[in-house]
Amino acid sequence: EVQLVESGGGLVQPGGSLRLSCAASGFTFSDHYMDWVRQAPGKGLEWVGRIRKKANSYTTEYAASVKGRFTISRDDSRNSLYLQMNSLKTEDTAVYYCARDLTESAAYFDYWGQGTLVTVSS
Amino acid sequence: DIQMTQSPSSVSASVGDRVTITCRASQGISSGLAWYQQKPRKAPKLLIYDASSFQSGVPSRFSGSGSGTDFTLTISSLQPEDFATYYCQQAKSFPLTFGGGTKVEIK
Repeated sequence: EVQLVESGGGLVQPGGSLRLSCAASGFTFSDHYMDWVRQAPGKGLEWVGRIRKKANSYTTEYAASVKGRFTISRDDSRNSLYLQMNSLKTEDTAVYYCARDLTESAAYFDYWGQGTLVTVSS
Repeated sequence: DIQMTQSPSSVSASVGDRVTITCRASQGISSGLAWYQQKPRKAPKLLIYDASSFQSGVPSRFSGSGSGTDFTLTISSLQPEDFATYYCQQAKSFPLTFGGGTKVEIK
């Protein structure tokens, strides 16, 4: 059974940093592109970024709203995905989901974690 | 960026009703569109990808159509478990973008 379990959320002050983790199981993690998607309280879904697999040099893509502040990485030996968030703003408050890409050729998300809440507030 | 516009933003319907949700892209995306269902406090669930392909395990009452800029999700006979919010998402180009959501409520 495919499982994605996020952790690391919490309360952080504006300007602070936080690192989210996503533990994957039930599939060959190294074979898949992975993404982060967030959802502000009561709002819709916003794609945060993507990391490709080793064969694609672990290249990344980011939404403009987080580019330069957030960094996505992965550790295939640990079946884990990470989101390093720096210079956090109040508008980054959201539930953060990790998601698996259905295929390499199209970025659809076939499995999602349960989400972890990040609250940016003083 | 490609903007995705869903309509309506909410719809009230009864069990057994046929429900249609529309998604319009600000530029052509061929068939690079997905539909997701999200229930309160749960992660989204992939229903349809490539505009009309069923994700494994999705009931056949859900169907998707369209290409280019205009797409629809149809629920042929609404069931109690279908009351949720539905999102479209384009996969044509970065940044990946979602529609604003359509909440399907009980009439």
